[in-house]
Amino acid sequence: KAGVTQTPRYLIKTRGQQVTLSCSPISGHRSVSWYQQTPGQGLQFLFEYFSETQRNKGNFPGRFSGRQFSNSRSEMNVSTLELGDSALYLCASLAGTGETQYFGPGTRLLVL
Amino acid sequence: KQEVTQIPAALSVPEGENLVLNCSFTDSAIYNLQWFRQDPGKGLTSLLLIQSSQREQTSGRLNASLDKSSGRSTLYIAASQPGDSATYLCAVTPDGGYQKVTFGIGTKLQVIP
Repeated sequence: KAGVTQTPRYLIKTRGQQVTLSCSPISGHRSVSWYQQTPGQGLQFLFEYFSETQRNKGNFPGRFSGRQFSNSRSEMNVSTLELGDSALYLCASLAGTGETQYFGPGTRLLVL
Repeated sequence: KQEVTQIPAALSVPEGENLVLNCSFTDSAIYNLQWFRQDPGKGLTSLLLIQSSQREQTSGRLNASLDKSSGRSTLYIAASQPGDSATYLCAVTPDGGYQKVTFGIGTKLQVIP
């Protein structure tokens, strides 16, 4: 079974631009969660999608948004990028509530 | 608001030593607790998942325990190897099971050959 894939793996953007990151979960997994990881804050929960519906949202500004498609693939979008958005963005998929989370390799975003 | 703390932040041990990593959480209303390892610049790899009704889980040289009432979990690594060098994170899923998971900052482990 293929693992969780994330594209692109690396991105360099400038302040004010927007970016879209993609995550393909493990086949059969309907839940996708997104996290931001920075050295100072660690891993912080962004949002979780299940069957195309956002089920939970973390404490991030509205510039961070996401969606999930009918094939469970998910995208997250960050608009009006700020320097502080530089981070490793990780997505995780799981088969069902309370089950093991499987993480992708992440997308490293650098905002200049 | 759930807070997860991991102590120590970093640990360096000689190869072959047994070691314990600690994780504490403030809200005992949890659904499960999961331990992960993360290699530099990489994603997270799941090590062990303990449901709230369980006391421990074992996989190979790894053993994780959970004491919900005291808000603590430990990850025991037996006979450490240089390949165990990584950052270890614990993550708590709240009651209800929805994935608003809270992670600790992690313990960076270095096993010296």
